[in-house]
Amino acid sequence: KQEVTQIPAALSVPEGENLVLNCSFTDSAIYNLQWFRQDPGKGLTSLLLIQSSQREQTSGRLNASLDKSSGRSTLYIAASQPGDSATYLCAVIMIKAAGNKLTFGGGTRVLVKP
Amino acid sequence: DGGITQSPKYLFRKEGQNVTLSCEQNLNHDAMYWYRQDPGQGLRLIYYSQIVNDFQKGDIAEGYSVSREKKESFPLTVTSAQKNPTAFYLCASSPQSAGSEAFFGQGTRLTVV
Repeated sequence: KQEVTQIPAALSVPEGENLVLNCSFTDSAIYNLQWFRQDPGKGLTSLLLIQSSQREQTSGRLNASLDKSSGRSTLYIAASQPGDSATYLCAVIMIKAAGNKLTFGGGTRVLVKP
Repeated sequence: DGGITQSPKYLFRKEGQNVTLSCEQNLNHDAMYWYRQDPGQGLRLIYYSQIVNDFQKGDIAEGYSVSREKKESFPLTVTSAQKNPTAFYLCASSPQSAGSEAFFGQGTRLTVV
């Protein structure tokens, strides 16, 4: 069974520092890995989608890497801002799972202090 | 604008009562999903549907029911058989093709009173 883990569960950094968020998964037979942002009491906003054939994906200050062989993905947020404070979730779609079902990690709650 | 609309935002259920959560999408996606989120836990799949008039159980389907009569709509009913229904419920949709990106609604918070 696929297990997705995000460590640490919470992270606090001063404004301007780069954020590094980790996601690990136990089964490397995945179609893709998706990073989401969730603000308190809100739904999930898709940040980046990395296909299994890709090594990284970039959007503005966000960069996500994928190392399928080691079962790891890292989300980098450059020059963090207080508005980046949120919970960040990673999720994978497994090749052998029907229906594009997502398996989620528990999330990392980020606080960026002004 | 294209997107997923969940309603209501907040819902209160009395003991023994069934309630229905609405999810509508105008993204023309074939697949739709319901996830449950509890504090400190990741999202867990309740039900999903890949096509109209067909749906499958997820990991925690007991006490829930769904229907998929239209492509745009995937309502979730929380029945009285669900013993611990207080949670945040999220609806999602995606294209049918394997490995497609998923998009989520803004969620419904259900509380038992």
